[in-house]
Amino acid sequence: DAGITQSPRHKVTETGTPVTLRCHQTENHRYMYWYRQDPGHGLRLIHYSYGVKDTDKGEVSDGYSVSRSKTEDFLLTLESATSSQTSVYFCAISEQGSSYNSPLHFGNGTRLTVT
Amino acid sequence: TQLLEQSPQFLSIQEGENLTVYCNSSSVFSSLQWYRQEPGEGPVLLVTVVTGGEVKKLKRLTFQFGDARKDSSLHITAAQPGDTGLYLCAGTGSARQLTFGSGTQLTVLP
Repeated sequence: DAGITQSPRHKVTETGTPVTLRCHQTENHRYMYWYRQDPGHGLRLIHYSYGVKDTDKGEVSDGYSVSRSKTEDFLLTLESATSSQTSVYFCAISEQGSSYNSPLHFGNGTRLTVT
Repeated sequence: TQLLEQSPQFLSIQEGENLTVYCNSSSVFSSLQWYRQEPGEGPVLLVTVVTGGEVKKLKRLTFQFGDARKDSSLHITAAQPGDTGLYLCAGTGSARQLTFGSGTQLTVLP
């Protein structure tokens, strides 16, 4: 299994509070991704990174920011959590970008509940 | 926005039955991937298809990419309880990043 660790695995927070989710990889892969998974919507891309300090927005980036200061760590921050951000968040990594048909390797997810 | 529609959304069958799930789009994809996800875990890649008309087999699972590269199917022969899970298709197209379908939740009853 690819070495991907997400923390925390579960979190409950209140509306309006900041939240940071962490993804740590031991595979030295260049690409890292944050997805959210909601019933009926599959996986939707929030942000991704193609190298240290190189990030770009996905289709549902509003209300989220990311940072990647080291190859192995990719942080997802909700500046002011809202109930609509209650979801399961998955981190994924790949050696190359999607245009190279590079497979994604996923972590086991973080279940976030915003009350 | 490129959309992938999967059908059926839910499927419950008895052990030993055959089944097919579909992944359709109005857009052309350069490749399609199929993932399986079990509860509490992230999706795991099953296969990637890249050529129109391509057929790939993985034990009892057969994957096909449509000739026009707009659709794909997954056929499972003699389903087993271990096949239970959420099956997701994902395509790479003009969006440059993977677009995921909403998934088919398969339950195989013993």
